[in-house]
Amino acid sequence: DAKTTQPTSMDCAEGRAANLPCNHSTISGNEYVYWYRQIHSQGPQYIIHGLKNNETNEMASLIITEDRKSSTLILPHATLRDTAVYYCIVRMDSSYKLIFGSGTRLLVRP
Amino acid sequence: NAGVTQTPKFQVLKTGQSMTLQCAQDMNHEYMSWYRQDPGMGLRLIHYSVGAGITDQGEVPNGYNVSRSTTEDFPLRLLSAAPSQTSVYFCASSQTPSTGNIYGYTFGSGTRLTVV
Repeated sequence: DAKTTQPTSMDCAEGRAANLPCNHSTISGNEYVYWYRQIHSQGPQYIIHGLKNNETNEMASLIITEDRKSSTLILPHATLRDTAVYYCIVRMDSSYKLIFGSGTRLLVRP
Repeated sequence: NAGVTQTPKFQVLKTGQSMTLQCAQDMNHEYMSWYRQDPGMGLRLIHYSVGAGITDQGEVPNGYNVSRSTTEDFPLRLLSAAPSQTSVYFCASSQTPSTGNIYGYTFGSGTRLTVV
């Protein structure tokens, strides 16, 4: 599975959009981009995933560049409860394994 | 409620003791896995299973054994606990991935293990 690179930490103001970047320059054609988050010491929570097209669900939007070498997770109106560590993971469609990196620690400020 | 259930939530062991961390899911997921998370670190894959009777090693398998006799259960055994195994352990499950049918993982709430 391809390796991902994320900033160690970020912050944003409550109510504003949080844009979390992820680089995955070695991604291959059949690898999906997944985003998870871990709030405090809880188990990670699935947020969204995508292959080529931009995706949106009730939690977030995922923007994948045309060359697929990077992506951005967007939380449109961040709240204090969105403070968490966010993990960007690349995974093959036929692979069972989910390999976590270090993630981005997002702090939402009041 | 449907999901992944881990027991116990907390455990303190003495060096050399053995124990089994339990993980059960009621979603009929084929895939199950165990991760450990050390303080301030990301999750590392210990072992995983793609179905009953099938297991394989992850990134950090040493010191741990697993078995998968049923679809629902995936216990993790520590044969001789060491202080280096002090960590938070997470179990996760997922439907079988296939092209065009990719699903996210469901994680349990974790077992906090301290080995003294």
